[in-house]
Amino acid sequence: QLQLQESGPGLVKPSETLSLTCTVSDDSISSPSYYWGWIRQPPGKGLEWIGNIYYSGNTYYNPSLKSRVTISVDTSKNQFSLKLSSVTAADTAVYYCARTSNWEAFDIWGQGTMVTVSS
Amino acid sequence: DIQMTQSPSSLSASVGDRVTITCRASQSISSSLNWYQHKPGKAPKLLIYAASSLQSGVPSRFSGSGSGTDFTLTISSLQPEDFATYYCQQSYSTPWTFGQGTKVEIK
Repeated sequence: QLQLQESGPGLVKPSETLSLTCTVSDDSISSPSYYWGWIRQPPGKGLEWIGNIYYSGNTYYNPSLKSRVTISVDTSKNQFSLKLSSVTAADTAVYYCARTSNWEAFDIWGQGTMVTVSS
Repeated sequence: DIQMTQSPSSLSASVGDRVTITCRASQSISSSLNWYQHKPGKAPKLLIYAASSLQSGVPSRFSGSGSGTDFTLTISSLQPEDFATYYCQQSYSTPWTFGQGTKVEIK
């Protein structure tokens, strides 16, 4: 069973860059059948799509975050990553990585990682 | 952006009840609508994709219907493990957007 695992700092200072990595348990990150995405959930709020990436490096971002977001992929390590710059308290959230098959739905999710923005 | 509106925001139900959650899109999204179940501290779980297709391994008491702007998730006989928050999500156009969630609680 494919697994995704998020990793990265749980605490980030305001104005700094949040960096997270998602490790995929097999080499399906190189498959043309899948896209890979990041989603977040602030405390007490709903889910927000951050963006998706294809194995080729093509990216699709939420316009509300586009100026601050970079998603990249490293197929040699079976990983994809999220960078969110100039963070504020509003970026405090549980961050999930997930897989989407054929640009349809997120069918496999990581367990999520809580990131708090605070000095 | 396409806005997704779920109703109700919460509901109380008993084991064995039939539960229906609705999701309305601000514009037509064809059948590009997915449903997720989310429990605290867990990863969201895909239940239904493309409006009515049951994800592999999901119990058949879950079903989805609709197209265009109006969609429904139905749980035919609520089980104890079904108490959770349910989200709809459109994959018709970016940015992908989620509904605000429907929390299903024990009556």
